Amino acid sequence: GAGVSQSPSNKVTEKGKDVELRCDPISGHTALYWYRQSLGQGLEFLIYFQGNSAPDKSGLPSDRFSAERTGGSVSTLTIQRTQQEDSAVYLCASSLAWDRANTEAFFGQGTRLTVV
Amino acid sequence: SQQGEEDPQALSIQEGENATMNCSYKTSINNLQWYRQNSGRGLVHLILIRSNEREKHSGRLRVTLDTSKKSSSLLITASRAADTASYFCATALKNAGNMLTFGGGTRLMVKP
Repeated sequence: GAGVSQSPSNKVTEKGKDVELRCDPISGHTALYWYRQSLGQGLEFLIYFQGNSAPDKSGLPSDRFSAERTGGSVSTLTIQRTQQEDSAVYLCASSLAWDRANTEAFFGQGTRLTVV
Repeated sequence: SQQGEEDPQALSIQEGENATMNCSYKTSINNLQWYRQNSGRGLVHLILIRSNEREKHSGRLRVTLDTSKKSSSLLITASRAADTASYFCATALKNAGNMLTFGGGTRLMVKP
């Protein structure tokens, strides 16, 4: 596709419900990132998929958060039993092969999650 | 903890003035990148400087990198009201498969 696509763009959910956020990276990009950004804050790293290697999950804040990347392309970020503190904008980015040292990341427009 | 830290956290200048933002980082990098964010949504890549480069220009942007001090600066010359945005530095970590980590950002306001 032309760019990184995220869906939905906005999601309002009740506390305790599960949510799934989707990211379609740019075709051919083998590196994929998920970040979280609270209002007025910086980007908090969540998870990094790099080619066929095991993902770096070191940024996931709790075991309620998980992410998958199927077929090296589409990724879904799942948050179980959502809490109000999960409210944030969730940003996805992709870049060319992770072993190429000097590539930029392309960002989607994010999913704004509101837990009420 | 975040790899990069920007300062200042917020900067307000008049149109036509130059804006300088700084970024410090902690571990070895392959490159350092600067991004811009409008309205709290997707980030747009501005410029990338490799670890073996010291300065790079792109239009009104000038980036410097000092690997001995683990720091970088972004200079926007002749600022415009349209430059109002948040600016983030990101480092591609050498020992982590070029994973990108971001700082907290600098919120720039350019007054017309």
